[in-house]
Amino acid sequence: AQKVTQAQTEISVVEKEDVTLDCVYETRDTTYYLFWYKQPPSGELVFLIRRNSFDEQNEISGRYSWNFQKSTSSFNFTITASQVVDSAVYFCALSGRGSTLGRLYFGRGTQLTVWP
Amino acid sequence: DAGVTQSPTHLIKTRGQQVTLRCSPKSGHDTVSWYQQALGQGPQFIFQYYEEEERQRGNFPDRFSGHQFPNYSSELNVNALLLGDSALYLCASSSGEGVYEQYFGPGTRLTVT
Repeated sequence: AQKVTQAQTEISVVEKEDVTLDCVYETRDTTYYLFWYKQPPSGELVFLIRRNSFDEQNEISGRYSWNFQKSTSSFNFTITASQVVDSAVYFCALSGRGSTLGRLYFGRGTQLTVWP
Repeated sequence: DAGVTQSPTHLIKTRGQQVTLRCSPKSGHDTVSWYQQALGQGPQFIFQYYEEEERQRGNFPDRFSGHQFPNYSSELNVNALLLGDSALYLCASSSGEGVYEQYFGPGTRLTVT
């Protein structure tokens, strides 16, 4: 079974602070894929990143960075120097390679509010 | 490059009625997945269509059915609506049957009264 846990329901920060969103996953598949999506108030899910289980290199894209650690089954997301426009719900998702290939399993999301 | 589009944006139905939601995938994509997102929850997978066939199905009753057309667009049908069916219905498209990035549409907000 695939499962994603985002323990942080809500996070509030002041602009320019760094913030880390936690994601812990469970899977029996040896090959799997992890994703982060952003959902602004408009409702549309915006794709941010996909990471393959065999690639543990961390990734940085502008103010965004992702830390993938198989040893702790975590795929955390850090926003550096947060901005008001970063306010949204962020979802971590998992997809396996087995019988559920192509199906995304989402966590419950973390509501991030960035205050000016 | 047109993204994923969904119609209608909002819909209000009465318990027991039937509803059809529509989705057009992103240009170049041939796979469509549907998700239900209840308020305050993460999206839950309903089913996925590829080559006009249902390839995967989540834990949803048979009241939920779908279809994919030759132009890759898709419909989600829900019969005998229940109050609990009120949710945001999201369509996602991707390329191929494998694990690729799924791009989401803006969703259809369904309210059942």
